[in-house]
Amino acid sequence: AQTVTQSQPEMSVQEAETVTLSCTYDTSESDYYLFWYKQPPSRQMILVIRQEAYKQQNATENRFSVNFQKAAKSFSLKISDSQLGDAAMYFCAYRSGATNKLIFGTGTLLAVQP
Amino acid sequence: EAGVAQSPRYKIIEKRQSVAFWCNPISGHATLYWYQQILGQGPKLLIQFQNNGVVDDSQLPKDRFSAERLKGVDSTLKIQPAKLEDSAVYLCASSYRTALNTEAFFGQGTRLTVV
Repeated sequence: AQTVTQSQPEMSVQEAETVTLSCTYDTSESDYYLFWYKQPPSRQMILVIRQEAYKQQNATENRFSVNFQKAAKSFSLKISDSQLGDAAMYFCAYRSGATNKLIFGTGTLLAVQP
Repeated sequence: EAGVAQSPRYKIIEKRQSVAFWCNPISGHATLYWYQQILGQGPKLLIQFQNNGVVDDSQLPKDRFSAERLKGVDSTLKIQPAKLEDSAVYLCASSYRTALNTEAFFGQGTRLTVV
């Protein structure tokens, strides 16, 4: 069975600084997708960034980028130029290419200090 | 494009009562997920539908939880009887099936409190 692990329950960053959130996963599949979702207090889960396992190039979306290390099964999220609006819970997620099953890690609560 | 609709937003019930949640996914989305999210934790997958068939319900407590997806569109999740530990947010999400890289879209969830 696939698992997703986020080892940082809480992180804090100063506004305009850079922060990296960690995620590791375990799978025996070769076809899968990885995601980072943001969940603000409103509870609405919002996609931040996605990565296809077959792509070696790391995904980038504006201030958000990932470091995908397939052999190490690591998928970290880097937030550059942090803004107050980035404060939220961040979840790493794994999606099976075979079954479309989508599972989540335990989350990292990010605080942004002004 | 309309989002994933869930109702009700909030529900308070006494233990041993029954409760039902409703989800209307985005039109055309074949895959529908129900998650249970206990405060401070990550979403736990309860059940996954592909059209109106169940793909995965391995973590659904089948002695008290049931779910159906009528005609492959909207879905209901029921708890009967409820326990105190069922207090959580229940999230519904949907996605396309054919293009696996597309994201899952989430509703705003139903916050259930069992007293």
